[in-house]
Amino acid sequence: NAGVTQTPKFRVLKTGQSMTLLCAQDMNHEYMYWYRQDPGMGLRLIHYSVGEGTTAKGEVPDGYNVSRLKKQNFLLGLESAAPSQTSVYFCASSYSIAPGLAGSYEQYFGPGTRLTVT
Amino acid sequence: GIQVEQSPPDLILQEGANSTLRCNFSDSVNNLQWFHQNPWGQLINLFYIPSGTKQNGRLSATTVATERYSLLYISSSQTTDSGVYFCAVDDKIIFGKGTRLHILP
Repeated sequence: NAGVTQTPKFRVLKTGQSMTLLCAQDMNHEYMYWYRQDPGMGLRLIHYSVGEGTTAKGEVPDGYNVSRLKKQNFLLGLESAAPSQTSVYFCASSYSIAPGLAGSYEQYFGPGTRLTVT
Repeated sequence: GIQVEQSPPDLILQEGANSTLRCNFSDSVNNLQWFHQNPWGQLINLFYIPSGTKQNGRLSATTVATERYSLLYISSSQTTDSGVYFCAVDDKIIFGKGTRLHILP
């Protein structure tokens, strides 16, 4: 049981390049999330998904796209990278502790991807 | 949206000391979690605690939902407790900015 894994662990991009970050979970969780963490700050939600085939915007969605074609995978895409997107990206998945009670989630995080855009 | 404030922002303690970390939130929530981010960046879920009290070894947490705050207690601190402690609330799982804890040997 690997939990939540992220690929790649590190990446350096030049401004304008594109890339896709892959998140995979083997816990059969319904919900998946992408966050970014900048120095001295907490995590900010980029996009999330409440099930296969669904996605929704979080707090800072601009410049990113996501897809959830399979329940176990959540992809984060940067179409045209900018230096402002230099950050550590975390993926998480969760299940509902109390089905029917909105927001009753317990999250599990991947190890993070460190992205630098020059 | 919901605002989350954590205090203190930084805390330096000697090994063996006890500590209390606080999380205030601006609206009622169905979800509150405490996380520990270790010095290597890994985020570990400590508690899911939208109300009440839970304990896990030297760590315990209490959330008073009606007064919109949660407390994380760490007893007999060890150097491995160092890192950043975050609380996160709400369906959208909004994170506070964290408390950076440094335990001195």
